[in-house]
Amino acid sequence: AQTVTQSQPEMSVQEAETVTLSCTYDTSENNYYLFWYKQPPSRQMILVIRQEAYKQQNATENRFSVNFQKAAKSFSLKISDSQLGDTAMYFCAFMIDSGTYKYIFGTGTRLKVLA
Amino acid sequence: DGGITQSPKYLFRKEGQNVTLSCEQNLNHDAMYWYRQDPGQGLRLIYYSQIVNDFQKGDIAEGYSVSREKKESFPLTVTSAQKNPTAFYLCASSTSLGRSSDYGYTFGSGTRLTVV
Repeated sequence: AQTVTQSQPEMSVQEAETVTLSCTYDTSENNYYLFWYKQPPSRQMILVIRQEAYKQQNATENRFSVNFQKAAKSFSLKISDSQLGDTAMYFCAFMIDSGTYKYIFGTGTRLKVLA
Repeated sequence: DGGITQSPKYLFRKEGQNVTLSCEQNLNHDAMYWYRQDPGQGLRLIYYSQIVNDFQKGDIAEGYSVSREKKESFPLTVTSAQKNPTAFYLCASSTSLGRSSDYGYTFGSGTRLTVV
């Protein structure tokens, strides 16, 4: 069975600083996708970044980047130049390329950006 | 604008009642999903549907039922058999065309269900 682990329930960072959120997963599959979602206080889930497992290059979206280590089954999210609007719950998610498109989510990391 | 609409935003259920949560999308997505969110447990899959008139149980389907009579709609009924229904419920949709660039859910804004 596939599992996703986020070992940091809560984190805080000063505005303009950089923070890294960790995520590890367990699978025997070779083809899969990894995602980071943001859930602000409004509770609307927003896709932050996506990584295909077959791509060696780490995905980047503006201030958000990932460190994808396939052998270690690690998928951390780095937020640079943190902004107050980054305060949210962040979920790591995993999806096997099997046709069902089901996600497995981690338990989330609550990030607070401090002014 | 295309998106997913969940209603109501807040719902209160009395003991022994069935309640239905609405989820409608105008994205022309094939697949739709229901997740339950509890504090400290992330999101857990209740049911999903990849095509009209077909749906599959997720990890925590007991006490819930769904239907998929139209591509746009995927309502979730929380039955009296669900012993702990108080939670935040999220509906999502995705294309199932198989293109990796399309992978990624679009979520609704959620329904908070409380048992009173």
